Amino acid sequence: GAVVSQHPSRVICKSGTSVKIECRSLDFQATTMFWYRQFPKQSLMLMATSNEGSKATYEQGVEKDKFLINHASLTLSTLTVTSAHPEDSSFYICSARDWSGGAQETQYFGPGTRLLVL
Amino acid sequence: RKEVEQDPGPFNVPEGATVAFNCTYSNSASQSFFWYRQDCRKEPKLLMSVYSSGNEDGRFTAQLNRASQYISLLIRDSKLSDSATYLCVVEPSGNTPLVFGKGTRLSVIA
Repeated sequence: GAVVSQHPSRVICKSGTSVKIECRSLDFQATTMFWYRQFPKQSLMLMATSNEGSKATYEQGVEKDKFLINHASLTLSTLTVTSAHPEDSSFYICSARDWSGGAQETQYFGPGTRLLVL
Repeated sequence: RKEVEQDPGPFNVPEGATVAFNCTYSNSASQSFFWYRQDCRKEPKLLMSVYSSGNEDGRFTAQLNRASQYISLLIRDSKLSDSATYLCVVEPSGNTPLVFGKGTRLSVIA
């Protein structure tokens, strides 16, 4: 079945550094990928929709200059957390849709990236 | 009102018990509905889609009531391996992001 990978799986960094997270669809093309964030005991909250070849669409309250998204190819989207602070520590998950089957599309999630900012 | 609301849980049940989760959604135009399962510190995984006619997959039965904007999941003969957080998920329309409920945690006890 379709697989979405994320790298790295976990990151520990100092406050003020930038962290890049990659999301790849391994065996299908994804014109749209989604980035979510999940704090402990909370629901997944959509941060932004990443569109291949165009600008990402950010949800209200998500700073586009802080969370940079690049969707340069049909299989890769990156999320860069710039100048990370401890409050950015969270579980970041990407997802992608496989439309190739023609039937009701399935949304596949990456394994997530756990970010800890010290 | 939150877009997707679920029973707060946690549910602690013995092995073999039947447990039901409920969920309501606010957007009456929503098109697709799902139950996802999320294990601790893992990504969500699709458990089953939910259809108006109701659908069953082994020990799991999902129901959708569009008039009441209500979704349910029934788990029969609970197993220890069913312990997880169950997320009610709604898709407002085609190719839109999924909207997640906060999830209900289930612990099945031996």
